[in-house]
Amino acid sequence: DVKVTQSSRYLVKRTGEKVFLECVQDMDHENMFWYRQDPGLGLRLIYFSYDVKMKEKGDIPEGYSVSREKKERFSLILESASTNQTSMYLCASSFSGRYLNTEAFFGQGTRLTVV
Amino acid sequence: SQQGEEDPQALSIQEGENATMNCSYKTSINNLQWYRQNSGRGLVHLILIRSNEREKHSGRLRVTLDTSKKSSSLLITASRAADTASYFCATDAGSDKLIFGTGTRLQVFP
Repeated sequence: DVKVTQSSRYLVKRTGEKVFLECVQDMDHENMFWYRQDPGLGLRLIYFSYDVKMKEKGDIPEGYSVSREKKERFSLILESASTNQTSMYLCASSFSGRYLNTEAFFGQGTRLTVV
Repeated sequence: SQQGEEDPQALSIQEGENATMNCSYKTSINNLQWYRQNSGRGLVHLILIRSNEREKHSGRLRVTLDTSKKSSSLLITASRAADTASYFCATDAGSDKLIFGTGTRLQVFP
């Protein structure tokens, strides 16, 4: 079974802290994604990575950065956490579109609270 | 924003009834996918339809795609209480970048 693992299920951080959310996939997928999910807003793409060290901004990249040093690991970094970044964060991975099967597999999510 | 929209935002039906959800998107696509999310959990892939397909079936699911209207619909036939979840469409915006809509919350009453 494909597995996408997020390092924490729940996190509580203080305003101004630097926060790292880690995601690991075991299917050798090229693509990895970070989304945040808020009530009524659905899933909004923060960053997308299509290869090691390659990334593209999504719809809401402000206040976030990402790192992909290895193919299986994609990290989301909140440089200075703020209360408006309190949210559910979802990581996903998929094969490249050239393989035609671009089904995405999701982790269980990290519910981050910034106080 | 490239985000699409699902309609309705919420839907309540009785077991045995059919549930129809609609999705509108903004850009050209290679394919469109539907996902399901049980409360507070990650999303699970349901079905993928390619831009050159008009209809696809998988068990009790039927998906249609109209690229001229940039819209898709998901039909769940003979709904069960276990179908209660949120449903999202996702498009690839012509690349590998996966853009989700706002979702439809489906409640199926026994």
